Amino acid sequence: DAGVIQSPRHEVTEMGQEVTLRCKPISGHNSLFWYRQTMMRGLELLIYFNNNVPIDDSGMPEDRFSAKMPNASFSTLKIQPSEPRDSAVYFCASSFSGQGERYTFGSGTRLTVV
Amino acid sequence: GNSVTQMEGPVTLSEEAFLTINCTYTATGYPSLFWYVQYPGEGLQLLLKATKADDKGSNKGFEATYRKETTSFHLEKGSVQVSDSAVYFCALSHTDKLIFGTGTRLQVFP
Repeated sequence: DAGVIQSPRHEVTEMGQEVTLRCKPISGHNSLFWYRQTMMRGLELLIYFNNNVPIDDSGMPEDRFSAKMPNASFSTLKIQPSEPRDSAVYFCASSFSGQGERYTFGSGTRLTVV
Repeated sequence: GNSVTQMEGPVTLSEEAFLTINCTYTATGYPSLFWYVQYPGEGLQLLLKATKADDKGSNKGFEATYRKETTSFHLEKGSVQVSDSAVYFCALSHTDKLIFGTGTRLQVFP
């Protein structure tokens, strides 16, 4: 199993540009989570899906952020327009029915907005 | 609400020293508790877990006991190695999601 696959690993973009982060969960997992990690705020849950349906998006910071899961094997997190304060590492994780011990994290996307 | 509080880092130790990283939680009901570890440049990996009061989770020499009376789940290791240098996250499960603490960086020097 290749694990949770995120792309790109690194992204540098200019303020105001649209950024799209991608995630492929582990096959058979039906829950998917997007987290953001910064020095100041640690690891924050942005949104999670269960069976491709968004369940809780209360962590999404503002309307500039959106996430989709069109099918069981793919999810995107989009920031439009991006701002320097969005610079962080974004992690995707998947699990089977949200079981904590079966969470598998991707390697993350390091986003830098200049 | 549900939350996890960890001790501030970094924790700096010499090789073979004893490690304790404190974690306390606030939760409704009886959550499962976890420790995750993040090595440089990688995502989080499950280190150990406990699903009910008085359970002890253990892995790779690390241990943590679920203490309901003190709402704690402190991580311990008797003799740390340089390879244990990483960020450690305490977490609890609430319905379908994990709630993480802010993480504690451990630096072990030879």
